[in-house]
Amino acid sequence: NAGVMQNPRHLVRRRGQEARLRCSPMKGHSHVYWYRQLPEEGLKFMVYLQKENIIDESGMPKERFSAEFPKEGPSILRIQQVVRGDSAAYFCASSPNPSAEAFFGQGTRLTVV
Amino acid sequence: GIQVEQSPPDLILQEGANSTLRCNFSDSVNNLQWFHQNPWGQLINLFYIPSGTKQNGRLSATTVATERYSLLYISSSQTTDSGVYFCAANYGGATNKLIFGTGTLLAVQP
Repeated sequence: NAGVMQNPRHLVRRRGQEARLRCSPMKGHSHVYWYRQLPEEGLKFMVYLQKENIIDESGMPKERFSAEFPKEGPSILRIQQVVRGDSAAYFCASSPNPSAEAFFGQGTRLTVV
Repeated sequence: GIQVEQSPPDLILQEGANSTLRCNFSDSVNNLQWFHQNPWGQLINLFYIPSGTKQNGRLSATTVATERYSLLYISSSQTTDSGVYFCAANYGGATNKLIFGTGTLLAVQP
């Protein structure tokens, strides 16, 4: 049973470009969470999705950030018009139900130059 | 607001020593998890422990939910134990998101 798969592992974008981060949850997991880790900090919740639904996006910046988890395919975290402050590690986690153990992917390290 | 606090913030050990890491949380939790973030940034699940005691090899964890704390014990530490240890609490509600502590940075020296 493969773990949570994230790609790409590393992403470099110039200021103003778009970044697309992908997350495939573990098999049988329909709950997906995105977290952001800024340098030297802990992880902060961004958004919680179930298939085709955004349940809680209270941790997402109001502008430029969006997330989806379509019926088919991976969950996508999209950052438009990236700025240097978006440089961080973005982690995806999945679980089979909301209160169960969450498992994390290896993260995508975004660098904005 | 909901808080998760960890102590100590950093710790240096000689190989073979034992250590105890603490996590305090501010309210009743649905679940509590411990993670190890290795020097390559990977988050590794250590324990899912809303209450009670669990052991896995040289590591064990205890959560006392009524007193709102959890402890992670590392025995006979090895250099590969180095990294950051996070606890994260799930307070339930509609989201069940994890609230992470600020971590304990552990360095094990040979």
